[in-house]
Amino acid sequence: DTAVSQTPKYLVTQMGNDKSIKCEQNLGHDTMYWYKQDSKKFLKIMFSYNNKELIINETVPNRFSPKSPDKAHLNLHINSLELGDSAVYFCASSQGSHLYGYTFGSGTRLTVV
Amino acid sequence: QKEVEQNSGPLSVPEGAIASLNCTYSDRGSQSFFWYRQYSGKSPELIMFIYSNGDKEDGRFTAQLNKASQYVSLLIRDSQPSDSATYLCAVKYSGAGSYQLTFGKGTKLSVIP
Repeated sequence: DTAVSQTPKYLVTQMGNDKSIKCEQNLGHDTMYWYKQDSKKFLKIMFSYNNKELIINETVPNRFSPKSPDKAHLNLHINSLELGDSAVYFCASSQGSHLYGYTFGSGTRLTVV
Repeated sequence: QKEVEQNSGPLSVPEGAIASLNCTYSDRGSQSFFWYRQYSGKSPELIMFIYSNGDKEDGRFTAQLNKASQYVSLLIRDSQPSDSATYLCAVKYSGAGSYQLTFGKGTKLSVIP
């Protein structure tokens, strides 16, 4: 069983479109995250979310919005896609404690043309 | 601004040698420290974590932490070509009610047969 699953794995779309990436975890973790990895492989946090609180990285454009229907899911919606949004997006989950690392999904490679 | 610094490499070592990967962090309140391995086109995979000053060994891997110097390192003994990957140092801190991992930009390791 996949612990953290993301769909789709690849996404090619035109500028200006709206798209969503889905993420599900079956680990029973209480916190989920979205990270963006750019072409230089730098992983940068976008959002963290548990059932109490959404923390947004202030540098993330408001075209990006996370949606969590329940504890096991954290989807990412992107409006009005731009060329600079092309990257690999990783979902991750963890227990909300300093003791645990994150488990990452397999990533979604988004290409905006 | 909480920062994690790593040499980007590439770091090349011959097969069988010890690979030494280094990382410094800016926030003295950081609580836990992680090393991830990322193969090209794959997601980050947790390989080591350390919370206390000193060394922690797991198989061929040893993590070292010096909180006074704000320094973390990863030693890979008997390096194998399969160890060739990008190694990401990550530091966890508590902020705004959640625990977040801040990643360095990664060090690319090449093990030469």
